[in-house]
Amino acid sequence: AQKVTQAQTEISVVEKEDVTLDCVYETRDTTYYLFWYKQPPSGELVFLIRRNSFDEQNEISGRYSWNFQKSTSSFNFTITASQVVDSAVYFCALSERNTGGFKTIFGAGTRLFVKA
Amino acid sequence: GAGVSQSPSNKVTEKGKDVELRCDPISGHTALYWYRQSLGQGLEFLIYFQGNSAPDKSGLPSDRFSAERTGGSVSTLTIQRTQQEDSAVYLCASSSTGVLETQYFGPGTRLLVL
Repeated sequence: AQKVTQAQTEISVVEKEDVTLDCVYETRDTTYYLFWYKQPPSGELVFLIRRNSFDEQNEISGRYSWNFQKSTSSFNFTITASQVVDSAVYFCALSERNTGGFKTIFGAGTRLFVKA
Repeated sequence: GAGVSQSPSNKVTEKGKDVELRCDPISGHTALYWYRQSLGQGLEFLIYFQGNSAPDKSGLPSDRFSAERTGGSVSTLTIQRTQQEDSAVYLCASSSTGVLETQYFGPGTRLLVL
């Protein structure tokens, strides 16, 4: 069965600190996609990254980086030199095909507070 | 270009009434998804459409919920005989060619059932 676990409910850091948001997933499929989304206080979900199960290369985009490790079924997200504008809820998600067609499962989210 | 739009942005209704929520996907996107986000919770996947077809309706919470999509574009999510536990933000997303693609989300409809 699919499952996405974001064990950190809330994280609070001071501006300029680095912070890592954890995501662990479960799936029986060999082909799947992983995503991270940001939900700022305004409420609208913003896509950050998409990764397929065959590409384990880490990715860096500005202050954001992602570490995908199939061996531990983890897809962790690091923000370097955090800023107040990074304060939001971050969701990790898994998409895969199932017998009914396809399904996307979201983790419960991690609320990040960045204090000035 | 225009993103995903949803209407109404807010809806207050009385218990027992029917409500209809609308989603306009990004032009040209063939896949459309509905989610529900209860207060302080994660996203609950409800249903998705590939074109006008919904292959799997098992995510709908009860038979009071239904969804349709016409012309491969606009979708409506209907909740009949609303209950207080239906209160949530209903989010719609669309993706370009189909399943497993990146989903782009609308602003949501905040539903409050009194």
